[in-house]
Amino acid sequence: DAGITQSPRHKVTETGTPVTLRCHQTENHRYMYWYRQDPGHGLRLIHYSYGVKDTDKGEVSDGYSVSRSKTEDFLLTLESATSSQTSVYFCAISERRSSGANVLTFGAGSRLTVL
Amino acid sequence: EDKVVQSPLSLVVHEGDTVTLNCSYEVTNFRSLLWYKQEKKAPTFLFMLTSSGIEKKSGRLSSILDKKELFSILNITATQTGDSAIYLCAVPQFDTGNQFYFGTGTSLTVIP
Repeated sequence: DAGITQSPRHKVTETGTPVTLRCHQTENHRYMYWYRQDPGHGLRLIHYSYGVKDTDKGEVSDGYSVSRSKTEDFLLTLESATSSQTSVYFCAISERRSSGANVLTFGAGSRLTVL
Repeated sequence: EDKVVQSPLSLVVHEGDTVTLNCSYEVTNFRSLLWYKQEKKAPTFLFMLTSSGIEKKSGRLSSILDKKELFSILNITATQTGDSAIYLCAVPQFDTGNQFYFGTGTSLTVIP
């Protein structure tokens, strides 16, 4: 599974509290991503990173921030959680196959419930 | 705007049936299309397609890409209950920083 670990795997929190999800990889991949998955919406990109301290927004970045201070760690922070951020969050890395094409590999997911 | 559209959104079939899942795309500078299977956990990679008309096969699953008409299909023959999952299609787009655009997925349920 490309050595991707997400933590916590499950979290229940209250509206207005800060939440940080962590993604850790062991294989030195340059690109890392945070997606959220909701029924009827598929996987939507929140933020991604293309190197240490290099990040960019995805299509649903409002209310989220990210940081990447080390190659292996990509943190997703909800500064003030809202009920609309209840979702399953997936971290992913992009790895290049021998054909030259890039493939996404996902972590196990973090289920966040905001009450 | 780049987009990926999958159809149908959901499908219920009986064991032994054959199903065809569709993925159409409009992505600039297209290079490849990926299929994933998602059960009750993270999506897992099935196929990567880069060339038009060349079928990729893995057991009862096969997929083909049509770069002229901008779509791909995923076929599953002799379906089993273990095929029940969400099937996701994704297209990487490198002009905007190596982003991957996903369709909303097709939810397949195979009943005994």
